[in-house]
Formats: sequence, structure tokens, C-alpha cells
Amino acid sequence: NAGVTQTPKFQVLKTGQSMTLQCAQDMNHNSMYWYRQDPGMGLRLIYYSASEGTTDKGEVPNGYNVSRLNKREFSLRLESAAPSQTSVYFCAIRQGEGNSPLHFGNGTRLTVT
Amino acid sequence: AQSVTQLGSHVSVSEGALVLLRCNYSSSVPPYLFWYVQYPNQGLQLLLKYTSAATLVKGINGFEAEFKKSETSFHLTKPSAHMSDAAEYFCAVRTYNFNKFYFGSGTKLNVKP
Repeated sequence: NAGVTQTPKFQVLKTGQSMTLQCAQDMNHNSMYWYRQDPGMGLRLIYYSASEGTTDKGEVPNGYNVSRLNKREFSLRLESAAPSQTSVYFCAIRQGEGNSPLHFGNGTRLTVT
Repeated sequence: AQSVTQLGSHVSVSEGALVLLRCNYSSSVPPYLFWYVQYPNQGLQLLLKYTSAATLVKGINGFEAEFKKSETSFHLTKPSAHMSDAAEYFCAVRTYNFNKFYFGSGTKLNVKP
């Protein structure tokens, strides 16, 4: 999925630890998104950023913080990880306006024990 | 928030048979509509998107979807299933006045030889 790079690919945390998931794009688009994917629940929006310096909550923002310091990067932070945050996390960008679709990264698989 | 319903979390068809995956949305105003496919351990890939130019939309890999405003539906079809179509499929919507995308819970397609 050229264009959206997520790091790390895998991570195991203990309950209470913190970490930051990184997402970077090389496509110069304004809108960036963080989703989590859980079996049987599809993708749920955590946070969204319409442009550099702006962020907005999605459906499931509790327990997460985000940062959009520049146009290229959008990071997701877990301050105190919980087992309920075990999931696959996807970053996405919107490739323009109108009915432009989302373009996804390859995901980060996070396990919290 | 938008609601997207995908009927059937698992669908199984024989190779060569018709594929029909259902998607209904809740909105008084037709939103932007998309179908994505996810192969195991990969990110999501755009299959097709609805444009107002035509109610029948053709996508990649022989898939197509028909927009029916009266039924608030955007079902995905393929005339003849191939083994390589086995994957999980997600319907997604975005309303005109918001930048947030909402996903259905997904349908796993199994193709039997």
C-alpha cells in the first residue's frame, strides 16, 4: 500500500504501558484517519484529521490521543494500554474531495496483555 | 452517525456461482458509497465507488454494485466466483457534509471448489 506507511507492524504491550503508533503519507493529502478493526465489528473510526493542526473524535476515541503536527504525519497514542485495545489499527488518507475514497496503510497489530 | 448494515457475516458460494453481498445504509440523503476488499493479513483495497453518473458501478476483478435509492441499498455482485475472490468485503459510506467514513461489519466470502 504505497503512500501510507504505518509503524510498527506488530507490538505487544503490558497493561498500563504507553506507546505511539506512527502513520506517514507521501501523497500530500489533507485528510487522515485512524481506525481499529475487531472481528465482527468492521472498522471503527477512532480519530480523524481534516488538515494539519486539526483533529476530531470518531466513534471510539476513549483511551486514545492523536497528533497532527504536520501534513505528512498523524500519530495515535495510547497513554495507558488496556486489553480492550488489543486490535488491528489502520491509518488511512482521503485521496481528494467529493467521492474520493480512503487509501489504507497495511496496519499495526497490537496485543495488550 | 451513519449506519451501515451488511447482512450475513459469512457467505459461501461454489466456484462459478453468483456472488451477492448485501449492504444497506441509513440516510435520508444518498451518501457517497464504497466497497472495499481485505485479503488475509493485508490492508483494505478499494473495489469500487458509487458516482451519481450511473446506478450500476463496475469495479475491479469483475465486481459491480447497484445503487437503489428506494431501498437504500448498494449490493455487491459478481456473476461467477473465483477461488481468488475469497476475502472479507466491507461496505462504507460518507455523507456529503462530513468527512467521516463509516464501515459495515464486513462479510467473509468463502469460495468452494
